[in-house]
Amino acid sequence: NAGVTQTPKFRILKIGQSMTLQCTQDMNHNYMYWYRQDPGMGLKLIYYSVGAGITDKGEVPNGYNVSRSTTEDFPLRLELAAPSQTSVYFCASSVSGGPYEQYFGPGTRLTVT
Amino acid sequence: GENVEQHPSTLSVQEGDSAVIKCTYSDSASNYFPWYKQELGKGPQLIIDIRSNVGEKKDQRIAVTLNKTAKHFSLHITETQPEDSAVYFCAASLNNNDMRFGAGTRLTVKP
Repeated sequence: NAGVTQTPKFRILKIGQSMTLQCTQDMNHNYMYWYRQDPGMGLKLIYYSVGAGITDKGEVPNGYNVSRSTTEDFPLRLELAAPSQTSVYFCASSVSGGPYEQYFGPGTRLTVT
Repeated sequence: GENVEQHPSTLSVQEGDSAVIKCTYSDSASNYFPWYKQELGKGPQLIIDIRSNVGEKKDQRIAVTLNKTAKHFSLHITETQPEDSAVYFCAASLNNNDMRFGAGTRLTVKP
């Protein structure tokens, strides 16, 4: 199993540009999450999904959008990038019920200039 | 919502010594307390977790204790090794979608 994979690893965006961060998991987990990690801070939940077609906001959703058309994929869309979105983004997944262990991808480092 | 505080932010120990990281949480309803280890350039990885019906859990050199009354829990690493050097995060949650993380502790184990 590859676990949770994320692309790209690094990206530099100009202010106002848009991009999609990709996330795929091969563990057949129903729950998937997007977090951002700022320097010296813990992870903050942006959006989560409890299954295909179902998404909901987390603690810091402004400026982001998500979709979940399949169990495996959970892309995060940034529209009109702003410097405040410079961060490391982690995708994670877990089994249903719980709470249980969350499995994290390797992260995407995004810089907005 | 839940608020998790973690101390210290940095910790340096000699190889073979013990390391202790402490966290407090605010929501008495939280019932799941995981600890994650994050190595440079990687995503966090679970190293141990504890649920509110248990006071202590141990896995080889790693142990976690939970005091529900005081709303704090701690990670204990004994006989530290250089490969234990990493950033450690505590977290608290009631459900899968409300996990709150501490700010992290950077542990350095000096050979």
